[in-house]
Amino acid sequence: QSALTQPRSVSGSPGQSVTISCTGTSSDVGGYDYVSWYQQHPGKAPKLMIYDVTKRPSGVPDRFSGSKSGNTASLTISGLQAEDEADYYCCSYAVTYTVFGTGTKVTVL
Amino acid sequence: QVQLVESGGGVVQPGESLRLSCAASGFTFDTFGMNWVRQAPGKGLEWVAFIRFDGSTKYYADSVKGRFTISRDNSRNTLFLQMDSLRLEDTAVYYCAKALSGGLDYWGQGTLVTVSS
Repeated sequence: QSALTQPRSVSGSPGQSVTISCTGTSSDVGGYDYVSWYQQHPGKAPKLMIYDVTKRPSGVPDRFSGSKSGNTASLTISGLQAEDEADYYCCSYAVTYTVFGTGTKVTVL
Repeated sequence: QVQLVESGGGVVQPGESLRLSCAASGFTFDTFGMNWVRQAPGKGLEWVAFIRFDGSTKYYADSVKGRFTISRDNSRNTLFLQMDSLRLEDTAVYYCAKALSGGLDYWGQGTLVTVSS
């Protein structure tokens, strides 16, 4: 149940694209198509942005997209906007346990 | 609309117990699995426990196994977390979250648990 590995921070200018990686193992990220991503603004509860690797819940802009290759999942934010500045966490559901990533701070320059 | 409202947080001493509740509304509670997730001050998210929609299956993080117990009362649309033998490192905001396939689609606002001597 070790935390998934994410970069500490990523940044981009408005309109640019940024990608956050999330590395796990064959027991979690690589073993199931159950990777999800959460956005968290300071002092707020997390918000689901992507689930089951690529699915977007209703209301989440299509600027947010997810993918996975082997033991690494990725979240891409296209057309970066000021309100996208937040912490982002990946998560892998591995049936008998769930594990979150270390978190990535996205800064909009 | 879906609402999850946690309660029961507070300040306790190491070794003491606390019971958290999460009142659910706006969805068919007894058809979804539920989770507890915590976040220590200034730290990342940590999954704590999961319970199946009917309460038949429960899973725990290694860090709380044997000390915490997740349960639910589907007749009252309420999720619980019984926390025993609390440690300093259990200090965190505790969130309840509804399961959607492999993700957590709705979260409560959280309740703060502080373990301090």
